[in-house]
Amino acid sequence: QLVESGGGLIQPGGSLRLSCAASGLAVSFNYMSWVRRAPGKGLECVSIIFSDDSTFHAESVKGRLTISRDNSKNLVYLQMNSLRVEDTAIYFCARGYGSSAFDVWGQGTTVTVSP
Amino acid sequence: QSGLTQPPSASGSRGQSVTISCSGLSSESTNYDFVSWYQQHPGSAPKLLLYEVSKRPSGVPDRFSGTKSGNTAYLTISGLQADDEGDYFCGSRTGLRDFERIFGGGTTLAVL
Repeated sequence: QLVESGGGLIQPGGSLRLSCAASGLAVSFNYMSWVRRAPGKGLECVSIIFSDDSTFHAESVKGRLTISRDNSKNLVYLQMNSLRVEDTAIYFCARGYGSSAFDVWGQGTTVTVSP
Repeated sequence: QSGLTQPPSASGSRGQSVTISCSGLSSESTNYDFVSWYQQHPGSAPKLLLYEVSKRPSGVPDRFSGTKSGNTAYLTISGLQADDEGDYFCGSRTGLRDFERIFGGGTTLAVL
């Protein structure tokens, strides 16, 4: 399973670091992602880290959000800097499956960016 | 925000079938079956229903099925049950050599 933590209420321009703790699976497997759902909106995959440590970040977060992982601790992180109101969302950690799907999801952690 | 197009809502009566569409798939996505479907209940995490267009993970009942035609994928839910109410999302990737994973805007299903 995956368990996220680190969300909270933060002012615009602030920083947060989200963590995703994995049990029963290895975060070094295939690819791990952060997917968010903003209020009233759909799902958005914001960051991915692949087994070769290459990463992808959506244009909407590029330069502000950074995904990383610690294989020895079986953790995935999302460093969030220069946060904006539009980053307000529930952030889910998800394990990649096959070429394009996500098969294991955490329960999510809520990030609220507000003055 | 989302790269794929879904109808915002759908409905069906208990026991009947409903089909939800997902359009805007790239040609590579359809050629390589890069299509997945997810169910999300309020306050819960998304759940993978189908991957590679029509494959079901262990534990997903065969009432859920998937097909594709051209650049559109379809999710069909047969024998609708009250617990099927929720949001449904399709997912894909922009291309074989692209890293980006994209989702549809979601369809809220009501079971009457």
